[in-house]
Amino acid sequence: QKEVEQNSGPLSVPEGAIASLNCTYSDRVSQSFFWYRQYSGKSPELIMSIYSNGDKEDGRFTAQLNKASQYVSLLIRDSQPSDSATYLCAVLSISSGSARQLTFGSGTQLTVLP
Amino acid sequence: EAGVAQSPRYKIIEKRQSVAFWCNPISGHATLYWYQQILGQGPKLLIQFQNNGVVDDSQLPKDRFSAERLKGVDSTLKIQPAKLEDSAVYLCASSLVPTSGPYEQYFGPGTRLTVT
Repeated sequence: QKEVEQNSGPLSVPEGAIASLNCTYSDRVSQSFFWYRQYSGKSPELIMSIYSNGDKEDGRFTAQLNKASQYVSLLIRDSQPSDSATYLCAVLSISSGSARQLTFGSGTQLTVLP
Repeated sequence: EAGVAQSPRYKIIEKRQSVAFWCNPISGHATLYWYQQILGQGPKLLIQFQNNGVVDDSQLPKDRFSAERLKGVDSTLKIQPAKLEDSAVYLCASSLVPTSGPYEQYFGPGTRLTVT
């Protein structure tokens, strides 16, 4: 059973602070990792993808991947109230029958306080 | 570029009734997915199609759920008969053929199902 674990929330940070979201995964051969943002009552929206070890930056978002530790994180700099949402970590793995599928964590709810 | 379309957006049915959801993927996306998202959890894959063939349906409760993707474009997901525990948001997603390279899935708005 492939598992994706996210740090338990909810997480609250003041406006302008750095929000740090963490994720660990069990499938050692996983190669692709994604962060989705989901506003309440909305569907998940892809915000970051990362495929190799190290950091990947996109605007205020930085994804970090450490395959040896089976750990992926998302940093949000200069957090804004509009960043308040649930952040889902998703890991690509090979399912039975060789199909590639995403396994999602249960999400971390982030609240940015004005 | 139009996104993934789904209908209906909301549905309320009684247990033991049947229900069907429709999905139209992003144009050119060969792979289509149906997910179930229960409140407070991440999406769980039910079935994955590539063109009009099933790639993975290992987590689909086949005694009550069925899905098809005729002509490799639109798809329908059906539940018959529904149970109380089927209350969830049903999400459709699509991606390009994920045989290699980027594997980014894009989600539709979802259908919120309430079974009473």
